[in-house]
Amino acid sequence: GENVEQHPSTLSVQEGDSAVIKCTYSDSASNYFPWYKQELGKRPQLIIDIRSNVGEKKDQRIAVTLNKTAKHFSLHITETQPEDSAVYFCAASDGRGGADGLTFGKGTHLIIQP
Amino acid sequence: DAMVIQNPRYQVTQFGKPVTLSCSQTLNHNVMYWYQQKSSQAPKLLFHYYDKDFNNEADTPDNFQSRRPNTSFCFLDIRSPGLGDAAMYLCATSRDPGETQYFGPGTRLLVL
Repeated sequence: GENVEQHPSTLSVQEGDSAVIKCTYSDSASNYFPWYKQELGKRPQLIIDIRSNVGEKKDQRIAVTLNKTAKHFSLHITETQPEDSAVYFCAASDGRGGADGLTFGKGTHLIIQP
Repeated sequence: DAMVIQNPRYQVTQFGKPVTLSCSQTLNHNVMYWYQQKSSQAPKLLFHYYDKDFNNEADTPDNFQSRRPNTSFCFLDIRSPGLGDAAMYLCATSRDPGETQYFGPGTRLLVL
């Protein structure tokens, strides 16, 4: 099955600086890579996603890049703000025919220092 | 914003006493998922329904079962909860396989 590795586990940046979180996956058949933000005690919220036919996607301060050859994808947050503090999870679709549950990375606790 | 609804939000049960968690959706999505999220860990897929087709993850314990009586509702049954089953249980839906998954608020299960 799919295995997703996520780094770092904790990331502390100064407000206004950029944050980068990286993930690798193992199943070359995976074709869908979402990123979720989860605040304490709340549900995961989708912030951006990318499919394997696209190399990069941007939405305001958030961007995701995908390198399918190397099987890694990254989340970039620019001009970080205090409300960006949360746990961020990357995920990959299982890729097996008919099965599309998400395999999550272990999460990155992003701390924005004022 | 109440598109994926989970009840109850908090559930306390006793060791070994069967418990049922419920999920409903107003999105008319074809796929419904159940994830288990333990403290400070990532969500882990237990199983999902694509319409009426049930898909169980290989490592989901037999203690966990699911029912989907219609498009809108999906239930998670834990036949004999153990202390290790205490977790947040998240329901998610997607319109079709491989599409964006939307999570409900979760049910936090406590086993005494």
